[in-house]
Amino acid sequence: DAGVIQSPRHEVTEMGQEVTLRCKPISGHDYLFWYRQTMMRGLELLIYFNNNVPIDDSGMPEDRFSAKMPNASFSTLKIQPSEPRDSAVYFCASSLAGGAGGSPLHFGNGTRLTVT
Amino acid sequence: SQKIEQNSEALNIQEGKTATLTCNYTNYSPAYLQWYRQDPGRGPVFLLLIRENEKEKRKERLKVTFDTTLKQSLFHITASQPADSATYLCALQYGNKLVFGAGTILRVKS
Repeated sequence: DAGVIQSPRHEVTEMGQEVTLRCKPISGHDYLFWYRQTMMRGLELLIYFNNNVPIDDSGMPEDRFSAKMPNASFSTLKIQPSEPRDSAVYFCASSLAGGAGGSPLHFGNGTRLTVT
Repeated sequence: SQKIEQNSEALNIQEGKTATLTCNYTNYSPAYLQWYRQDPGRGPVFLLLIRENEKEKRKERLKVTFDTTLKQSLFHITASQPADSATYLCALQYGNKLVFGAGTILRVKS
């Protein structure tokens, strides 16, 4: 089991540039979650998918953020244009069942984004 | 909306002692609560889940309690070791989502 794989591990970009973060969930997991972690706000849920369909994107901060899941083994989180306040660690997690089912989340090791 | 509070200050304890971490919540009654461990530069790792109808859950040196009246969960690590040093996060089920607390840093000194 390779676990949840995220890329890149680190991303440094200039304000205004487009940033794309990638995630490969664990095979067989029906749920995929994107979280953002900062010192000030902790771990915040941005969006989650069930069977590749976005279910709840209420945590997405602005229209500059978008997420897709074209198939069961790949998801992207895109920020366009990026701003310095987007600097954070972005985590992808997957689970067998949603939160209501009590399944634990399996997290990737995150992408540390720095926007200068 | 739901609010989760964990010890904001780091917990420093001596090796061999029991570490106790607190998770308090308001404005919600979750069906279950989970605890995760996070090491620097890594994603959180699941440790234990406890359901609302369970008072206590154990796994090796770990013990979790869940008091739905007090709206509080306690996380205990007995016979603590320096390798237990990490940030510990509690997470509450909210529909199909998990909402995380800010975490408590635990430092175990030898």
